[in-house]
Amino acid sequence: GESVGLHLPTLSVQEGDNSIINCAYSNSASDYFIWYKQESGKGPQFIIDIRSNMDKRQGQRVTVLLNKTVKHLSLQIAATQPGDSAVYFCAENRMGSNFGNEKLTFGTGTRLTIIP
Amino acid sequence: GAGVSQTPSNKVTEKGKYVELRCDPISGHTALYWYRQSLGQGPEFLIYFQGTGAADDSGLPNDRFFAVRPEGSVSTLKIQRTERGDSAVYLCASSLAGGQSDTQYFGPGTRLTVL
Repeated sequence: GESVGLHLPTLSVQEGDNSIINCAYSNSASDYFIWYKQESGKGPQFIIDIRSNMDKRQGQRVTVLLNKTVKHLSLQIAATQPGDSAVYFCAENRMGSNFGNEKLTFGTGTRLTIIP
Repeated sequence: GAGVSQTPSNKVTEKGKYVELRCDPISGHTALYWYRQSLGQGPEFLIYFQGTGAADDSGLPNDRFFAVRPEGSVSTLKIQRTERGDSAVYLCASSLAGGQSDTQYFGPGTRLTVL
C-alpha cells in the first residue's frame, strides 16, 4: 500500500561530521515532501521542504535531495551540533478527501544522536 | 510571536471516561489540523479544519472521536468512552491558509493516558 518510510531507525554521528537521513515513499503521485525535526517532549518542527519538480534544495546547514526515479529523499545535515540530536521525520503531502491536499503522511522517523 | 498551544499538556483518565483536548492555533491561521502520535511512530492525521468547518475528517478512527472549531480559532478534540488504545500524544498544527505548501506549525501536544 501507500506509505512513507525510512531506511534506518537510528543514526549516531560524531559532532562536526555530516549526517544523512534517508526516506522512501511509495506513491509516485506524491509531489510535495517535508522534513520535520522532533525533540523530546515537543511537537515536530519544520526544517525544509521540496516539491517534485526539484531534485535538490538547500537551507542553512541542511540539504534535501529528491530522487523521483527510485522514490527516495534524503536530508543532509552539515557540521552536526549537539542540538541536532532529535527524531527526524519525512512527511508527504497528499490530496485530502475533498479538495486541497492538506494532510501530512509521516514516516516512522530516524533518531539522530550527535556524539560530542 | 506565540506559537500553537495545547492544553492540558498531560491528561490521565480512566477507561470509559470522556476527555476534551484544546488547541489554540497561531493567530490569523485559518487552517487547523489534529494528528495522533503513538510511541515510536510518526504522527497520523485525524482531521483538518478550514475556518469553522471540517474539510477532511477521514483520519478520525471511529465515532467516539469528534472535533469542533466553532469560531474558526480554538479547536477542541473530544473523545468519548475512552479506551486504552487511545493513549497517545495528540498534536495540533495550524497553517496560514491550508494550501499544499503552506507550512504546518505544530504545538507541543497533549499526552493522553487511558488507564
